[in-house]
Amino acid sequence: DVKVTQSSRYLVKRTGEKVFLECVQDMDHENMFWYRQDPGLGLRLIYFSYDVKMKEKGDIPEGYSVSREKKERFSLILESASTNQTSMYLCASSPGTGAAYEQYFGPGTRLTVT
Amino acid sequence: AQSVAQPEDQVNVAEGNPLTVKCTYSVSGNPYLFWYVQYPNRGLQFLLKYITGDNLVKGSYGFEAEFNKSQTSFHLKKPSALVSDSALYFCAVRDFRYSSASKIIFGSGTRLSIRP
Repeated sequence: DVKVTQSSRYLVKRTGEKVFLECVQDMDHENMFWYRQDPGLGLRLIYFSYDVKMKEKGDIPEGYSVSREKKERFSLILESASTNQTSMYLCASSPGTGAAYEQYFGPGTRLTVT
Repeated sequence: AQSVAQPEDQVNVAEGNPLTVKCTYSVSGNPYLFWYVQYPNRGLQFLLKYITGDNLVKGSYGFEAEFNKSQTSFHLKKPSALVSDSALYFCAVRDFRYSSASKIIFGSGTRLSIRP
């Protein structure tokens, strides 16, 4: 059974803190994604990676960075957390380079920045 | 610009009745279309996809979707709703701005509520 895990389900951080969100997939997928989900806005892509050490900006990369040192792990970093980054963060993975593959999602991390 | 729209924020249906969740799209090439479902406090789960071929696509949990090229729509349907179908549903379309990964654009989501 395919599995994407995220390091925390709930996280509370203070403004200005550096925050790390970890995602691990056990399916040997090439592609990994970080989204944020906000009510009424659906899912918006922050960053994605199509190979180890390779990354591309999504639609809302400002205030975020990512790291992919190993194929199975994709980390999202909030360099200096702000209250407008309070959101649900979802990680996903998919195989190959084609656009026909569905994405597999982790359970999400609900981040609150106070 | 490429986009996907879900015109209804909420759909309410009685158990046992047919349900439809609407989705329309705008893309510059052949559309690859997806439906995902999110149950409370869970990540998204893939339901079905249209890539090519038969316009009626069958997916998980008894759901199906009909691709209509002339109306640029991909509505999700089920003949008989269950209370357990209550969830948040997302339509998505391939993002043609990128070719190096299976990137997709998500709609804003439709909350489906099935009353007993």
